Amino acid sequence: GAGVSQSPSNKVTEKGKDVELRCDPISGHTALYWYRQSLGQGLEFLIYFQGNSAPDKSGLPSDRFSAERTGGSVSTLTIQRTQQEDSAVYLCASSPPVSSGSSYEQYFGPGTRLTVT
Amino acid sequence: GDSVTQMEGPVTLSEEAFLTINCTYTATGYPSLFWYVQYPGEGLQLLLKATKADDKGSNKGFEATYRKETTSFHLEKGSVQVSDSAVYFCALSSFSGSARQLTFGSGTQLTVLP
Repeated sequence: GAGVSQSPSNKVTEKGKDVELRCDPISGHTALYWYRQSLGQGLEFLIYFQGNSAPDKSGLPSDRFSAERTGGSVSTLTIQRTQQEDSAVYLCASSPPVSSGSSYEQYFGPGTRLTVT
Repeated sequence: GDSVTQMEGPVTLSEEAFLTINCTYTATGYPSLFWYVQYPGEGLQLLLKATKADDKGSNKGFEATYRKETTSFHLEKGSVQVSDSAVYFCALSSFSGSARQLTFGSGTQLTVLP
């Protein structure tokens, strides 16, 4: 079946502009995660959605970052007033319900490479 | 908090050589352990997993055993191929707040020469 998809694959923006990154999880997966992969920082957890519960935003680096998940499926990560240090690859992942017998593995999309100039 | 310490890279091997990438972890409770692989220009792919002590995960000739006594999950392959060239990430899955998030190691770049 289809995997996790993300769009755009690449985004170049000017410092100070807002950007929106989109993630389509695997159908039937209830959990959705955003991570950031940058040089020198490795892979960082940003935010987590589980079903209709309030998201866990504990990994968001600043209040310029926000995310929403509509209808328990598609998610959008928004970065306001982008800074050069926001340049990174933003990865989305989803995982199946625990009731399905999963081992909490996450399935990743190809990522969005964000470059802030 | 939880953490994963992974063998520093880069690692360069000749084709058919034996591979070991060390991974140790610190976690409370009983995490699940994973190895992910990232091929050039691609996203992360789950390579193998283990959910409890003494479990052995295996896939594509790669193996790793969950060792609770040494808190390790070393990745091994008996005979690497050029196509195995990629970045390998060790990770653990644990609860933080309400999230079952992954904590990753820093990644190990593997290059296999023909």
